[in-house]
Amino acid sequence: GDSVTQMEGPVTLSEEAFLTINCTYTATGYPSLFWYVQYPGEGLQLLLKATKADDKGSNKGFEATYRKETTSFHLEKGSVQVSDSAVYFCALSPNSGGSNYKLTFGKGTLLTVNP
Amino acid sequence: DVKVTQSSRYLVKRTGEKVFLECVQDMDHENMFWYRQDPGLGLRLIYFSYDVKMKEKGDIPEGYSVSREKKERFSLILESASTNQTSMYLCASSFFVGGYQPQHFGDGTRLSIL
Repeated sequence: GDSVTQMEGPVTLSEEAFLTINCTYTATGYPSLFWYVQYPGEGLQLLLKATKADDKGSNKGFEATYRKETTSFHLEKGSVQVSDSAVYFCALSPNSGGSNYKLTFGKGTLLTVNP
Repeated sequence: DVKVTQSSRYLVKRTGEKVFLECVQDMDHENMFWYRQDPGLGLRLIYFSYDVKMKEKGDIPEGYSVSREKKERFSLILESASTNQTSMYLCASSFFVGGYQPQHFGDGTRLSIL
């Protein structure tokens, strides 16, 4: 079945540091890939998405590129802020088949950014 | 903006009680989902519904049931609450067509079973 593996946290960075959170996936066909963010006390929000190979999703300074050859969708940001402290989830959805609206999530990575 | 509203942010119930968690969305989405979120386990799908009165089991349906009488409302029911159902519960919704449609989440209900 489909699966998502993301780097385990917690990740602690200083403000303005470079961020990478690794995500790899296993799926048949060509899934869509997502990054969701969960701020303290809130539900998940969609951060960015990519629907086909070599697509780059971007939002709020975060970027991730859909790499089919390495089955990866790593999240990056050039300069993190304290307000980026949150839990980040990588997820995939198959683009075909009877359950193509279901999401498979990674276990989440807690990011803490210190001033 | 899509709005998914869960009826309670915090809920405390007793073992053996029947518990109802309510979720309403305002974007005419066909799909609705219930997840539970636990530390170290991420999100796990309990049930989902792709239409009124239609439902399918997710990965961990045991001890839960659901109801979808109207398109905008999806209820999660704990038939006889147990302490191992203490968790954060998240509701989500999405359009039916296409895997590229993202899910939109509510703020969650933190449920404690004593």
